This record gives sequence, C-alpha cells and structure tokens, in this order.
Amino acid sequence: EAAVTQSPRNKVAVTGGKVTLSCNQTNNHNNMYWYRQDTGHGLRLIHYSYGAGSTEKGDIPDGYKASRPSQENFSLILELATPSQTSVYFCASGDARTGAETLYFGSGTRLTVL
Amino acid sequence: AQSVTQPDARVTVSEGASLQLRCKYSYSGTPYLFWYVQYPRQGLQLLLKYYSGDPVVQGVNGFEAEFSKSNSSFHLRKASVHWSDSAVYFCVLSAGGYKVVFGSGTRLLVSP
Repeated sequence: EAAVTQSPRNKVAVTGGKVTLSCNQTNNHNNMYWYRQDTGHGLRLIHYSYGAGSTEKGDIPDGYKASRPSQENFSLILELATPSQTSVYFCASGDARTGAETLYFGSGTRLTVL
Repeated sequence: AQSVTQPDARVTVSEGASLQLRCKYSYSGTPYLFWYVQYPRQGLQLLLKYYSGDPVVQGVNGFEAEFSKSNSSFHLRKASVHWSDSAVYFCVLSAGGYKVVFGSGTRLLVSP
C-alpha cells in the first residue's frame, strides 16, 4: 500500500515566523508534490520534485521554498509566514510507471498563520 | 491551456439512488483523466483513471466513468449510492509531467 505521511497534522504559526512542513513517502516514487487547498480553488501546485536534490516551482511558488534531501523526504518551507498562507497543505508522490501518473496523497497539514 | 470544470459545487442524492457527477475538460492533446475522492480530514484517493481504450472505466466501490471525446467530458456514475459515499469528488486532468489540473470539486451529500 502506497504511503505518504505528513507532519504536523495541525500547525499554528505567527506572522513572520518560519514554518516547515514535512512529508515522507515509502512508495519509492521519484516525483513528489506540494499543493495547497483553499475553498473555491481546488488544489494548486506550489513546488514539485523529480528526485533527490531537485526542486521545481509550480504554479504558485511565491513565499515558499522546498527541499528534497532524499528520495523519501520532501519539505515545504515558509521563511516568513503570512496570514494569506493559512490553508491546508497536501503532499503527494507520483507513480508514472503505467503512463498516466497516479498521485498518492498524504492526509494534509492544516496551517493557521495568526 | 488546459482546464477542468465541475459545474456542480454540491449534489444531494438519496441513499440507494443513482448518481452522476459531471466533469468537462479542455485540452488539445490526448488527456489522461482521473477521479479522486476526498473524505473529511483526509487526502485525495484515486477512484479511477482513463487514458485509452474502452471509454467506460470501472473504479473502486462501484464507481465508473465514461469518457467522451466529442463532448470533452468525463462524467462519474454510480448505480446506487451509500451514505458512506458522502465526500468531495475531484475530476483531474493530466497533460503530462507536472501539469495536473484539478477541478474545483463536487461535494456529494447522501441523505438517508
């Protein structure tokens, strides 16, 4: 069973503080993704990675950094958190071996920036 | 540019009734199409996917979807819904690589 684990499940941060969201996958997938989910917007891609050491900007990267130190781990970093970054964040890993990439999602991190 | 439209933000059906959730896509190439389901406080889970062959694809828990190139649609169906099907359903288009476009989701409420 594909497994993507996110931590923490909930986080409250202060404006201007640094926040790190962590994601671990045991699927041995090369591709990993960070999305945020907001009402009325569906899921929007922040950063993604094709493998250890690589990070790429997605559709809404401003205010976020990403780090992929290993195949299993992919972190999202908010250096200076703002209230507009209050959202639910999902990590996913991708399996493209059958052609169409299937995404496997974690359970999400609910971030509140006060 | 590719896009996915789910015209119904909210659908309510009675338990045991049939269900159709609508999805329209816009993409000039050959689409890879998916339906995912999101239960409360959980991530998205794959229901089914289509990229070639029989336009009717079967998924988990009795769900199926029909691809129509002429209508640019990929509607999700179920013959008889159960209360546990209450969730948010996302239609998703993959245009290759990281270009995955999510619809805005349809919240399904199954009433007793």
